[in-house]
Amino acid sequence: DAGVTQSPTHLIKTRGQQVTLRCSPKSGHDTVSWYQQALGQGPQFIFQYYEEEERQRGNFPDRFSGHQFPNYSSELNVNALLLGDSALYLCASSPPGAKNIQYFGAGTRLSVL
Amino acid sequence: GESVGLHLPTLSVQEGDNSIINCAYSNSASDYFIWYKQESGKGPQFIIDIRSNMDKRQGQRVTVLLNKTVKHLSLQIAATQPGDSAVYFCAENTSNAGGTSYGKLTFGQGTILTVHP
Repeated sequence: DAGVTQSPTHLIKTRGQQVTLRCSPKSGHDTVSWYQQALGQGPQFIFQYYEEEERQRGNFPDRFSGHQFPNYSSELNVNALLLGDSALYLCASSPPGAKNIQYFGAGTRLSVL
Repeated sequence: GESVGLHLPTLSVQEGDNSIINCAYSNSASDYFIWYKQESGKGPQFIIDIRSNMDKRQGQRVTVLLNKTVKHLSLQIAATQPGDSAVYFCAENTSNAGGTSYGKLTFGQGTILTVHP
């Protein structure tokens, strides 16, 4: 049984560009949450998707957007990249009825130059 | 506001010793707490959780203690092994009035645990 998978593992972009990160949740899970983890810091909640809709959002600008597909997989999009967007982006999935139980993927390391 | 923090950023122990990692939280409405372990190049891995109606929970070699009076959480690792070396995070969550969890975890900064053979 595959866990949470994220792609790509590493990504290099330049300022002003746009990026899309992808996440496949653990089998049987229906909720996906995204977090940003800066170097030396704990993960910070970006948003959460359930039933193909954004249900909760953290303190992140509108440049951060997402999507959830009918198969529960999810994408995180970041527009107009800034140097400060360089971080590890983590996806976590949760089983039905237990959004606080979160299993994390290995993350996508984004470097903005 | 919501914040979860750690008292010690680093902890070094000898193999076989017991380790204690501490965490302070400020949101009195938090009702669910989790400890995660993160190894280099990997995502956070669930270790143990505890609900606010409990003050102690034990797992395999790990124990979590919750003191709601002083808003303090600790993780105890017994007989620490080199494989326990990692960054440890505490995280908190709140539920609505109906007891449904929002699933928006708030993480602390993390403590680096180094276990020397």
